[in-house]
Amino acid sequence: SAVISQKPSRDICQRGTSLTIQCQVDSQVTMMFWYRQQPGQSLTLIATANQGSEATYESGFVIDKFPISRPNLTFSTLTVSNMSPEDSSIYLCSVEEGTSDHNEQFFGPGTRLTVL
Amino acid sequence: DAKTTQPNSMESNEEEPVHLPCNHSTISGTDYIHWYRQLPSQGPEYVIHGLTSNVNNRMASLAIAEDRKSSTLILHRATLRDAAVYYCILRDVASGNTPLVFGKGTRLSVIA
Repeated sequence: SAVISQKPSRDICQRGTSLTIQCQVDSQVTMMFWYRQQPGQSLTLIATANQGSEATYESGFVIDKFPISRPNLTFSTLTVSNMSPEDSSIYLCSVEEGTSDHNEQFFGPGTRLTVL
Repeated sequence: DAKTTQPNSMESNEEEPVHLPCNHSTISGTDYIHWYRQLPSQGPEYVIHGLTSNVNNRMASLAIAEDRKSSTLILHRATLRDAAVYYCILRDVASGNTPLVFGKGTRLSVIA
């Protein structure tokens, strides 16, 4: 199973600033995703990070606000730009591995972001 | 992905069995039923999945109704460590590698 690490684990930021979150996987994976979990809520998919091309964003999320990089098959970054208190959430990286009949998603520990 | 409905919360005594229900009346023939759980302060983790037949693994059992419109995740002996939010998710294998779409899940509390 894939082992995922994220940096930073948590941060407190001022409004108007940006934070870049790193996601490192211990194996090469094709599919990598970024999720947001607002306080007390379930997970919401932000985007699929594609290696060698632009990320695919879900409805309600845009590249200017959440730029994503995917330079190789083991690493991705998510930037939360021009932050406001509404961006306070846990941001989780996820990858998919598996066989043809069962693909399992593995999740990182998350980055807890607080925006003041 | 088709929608699932789960109770918001459930409570269980330690070392007793727990049955977590999930309704998915609009399930399609190519939807697999997946269960993930999220322990406090952690990312979600895979529990079990199935298509038509009941499934067992070291963590849990999955009972699937004959018409596939509902399923039940069974924890045979709940422990304090099983306190988590449990998500029932349908995944259409015909759609390829689409990411998981999470509903609100069921928050399970385990009482010592």
